Amino acid sequence: DAKTTQPNSMESNEEEPVHLPCNHSTISGTDYIHWYRQLPSQGPEYVIHGLTSNVNNRMASLAIAEDRKSSTLILHRATLRDAAVYYCILPPGGGADGLTFGKGTHLIIQP
Amino acid sequence: DTAVSQTPKYLVTQMGNDKSIKCEQNLGHDTMYWYKQDSKKFLKIMFSYNNKELIINETVPNRFSPKSPDKAHLNLHINSLELGDSAVYFCASSPYATSGGAGTKNIQYFGAGTRLSVL
Repeated sequence: DAKTTQPNSMESNEEEPVHLPCNHSTISGTDYIHWYRQLPSQGPEYVIHGLTSNVNNRMASLAIAEDRKSSTLILHRATLRDAAVYYCILPPGGGADGLTFGKGTHLIIQP
Repeated sequence: DTAVSQTPKYLVTQMGNDKSIKCEQNLGHDTMYWYKQDSKKFLKIMFSYNNKELIINETVPNRFSPKSPDKAHLNLHINSLELGDSAVYFCASSPYATSGGAGTKNIQYFGAGTRLSVL
């Protein structure tokens, strides 16, 4: 997998927007950008993915830089339930391969 | 219904024992995986299984063996358990080769995990 770099931790207040950055400067033209999160004592959970255009779903938005070397996961109104470790991943082209998880960003939400 | 379910949730056992962890998915996916999360919280792929064929094995000791009785199940057997095997093990599945575009096929759905403690 292409390498991704994320801040170790971020802190935000409840009901405020959160922007989680990810750098992937060695991304190839066909690499998708995926985000997962892992809530305490649970398995990882898919959040969103994109290739070139910005994406929105019920959980979050994904903003992808024009050169695709970075992306930002946006939680529009963070709740305490969003406290988790967020992982930015570039899955391998083969769909049967496993995902490579880095250290991720530990998101802390203050009430 | 839980999409990917693992049993047991907790497993405490002695060194040298043989144990199994079961995984079932009801999503109709054709690829399943096992991951290990150690005490430092690093998640690492162990195996993936596609159409009853082992696709990858990331330097996992041969004491670990995946067994797939059918497409919906991928069980993890561990022989001669060691202290270092203590970790949380996650099962996952993905719709690789069955549906979706290139980005969708890599989406993986995880179980809640099995916490293995070897004493």
